[in-house]
Amino acid sequence: GQQLNQSPQSMFIQEGEDVSMNCTSSSIFNTWLWYKQDPGEGPVLLIALYKAGELTSNGRLTAQFGITRKDSFLNISASIPSDVGIYFCAGQSFGSGTYKYIFGTGTRLKVLA
Amino acid sequence: GAGVSQSPSNKVTEKGKDVELRCDPISGHTALYWYRQSLGQGLEFLIYFQGNSAPDKSGLPSDRFSAERTGGSVSTLTIQRTQQEDSAVYLCASRERGQGTSGANVLTFGAGSRLTVL
Repeated sequence: GQQLNQSPQSMFIQEGEDVSMNCTSSSIFNTWLWYKQDPGEGPVLLIALYKAGELTSNGRLTAQFGITRKDSFLNISASIPSDVGIYFCAGQSFGSGTYKYIFGTGTRLKVLA
Repeated sequence: GAGVSQSPSNKVTEKGKDVELRCDPISGHTALYWYRQSLGQGLEFLIYFQGNSAPDKSGLPSDRFSAERTGGSVSTLTIQRTQQEDSAVYLCASRERGQGTSGANVLTFGAGSRLTVL
């Protein structure tokens, strides 16, 4: 099935460092969503973006909706050990009466204390 | 309920058996989605329900896979004659009705059903 290009695939960082990851697509989306998945759990929403150019923060997390509506990035500042997990972006579009959500391939984050 | 509930959380079955996976969405959420997540992979779309109808079932990998939703609530994903490549985590998500309403575009996921086919 269709998936978004998400990079990097994985990251090992030291506690306290900042993290940046992004998603790109050849399609335009109405909404960008960022989720985090812990082992054995379902993805949990971190940030939702609804307008091109929108920049939204949630604590140490900041995400932006690209101007072209084809990309988005997520930054995590001052990482801590509990930030470890898999981060997914998702683009949402609406067409033919259907809402579709396409997910990125995920960024696996490991934080070294 | 307060969240999306999925059962069973773990299922081990033998190749060739049929399995049913259940999803109980958030009360009042009219849209329901099924995704499959293979080990170390992203989320693969399977099927989407609006109410009891499925406008998009394009992600079902073969005719061994089917899903239904009754009463605009509980959904069941059925896999017939399971194969080893069906082993994965099956995730269900729901969304409240609200076309064009920003806050209603968010999917809320359950914890998933991990299927292992021996």
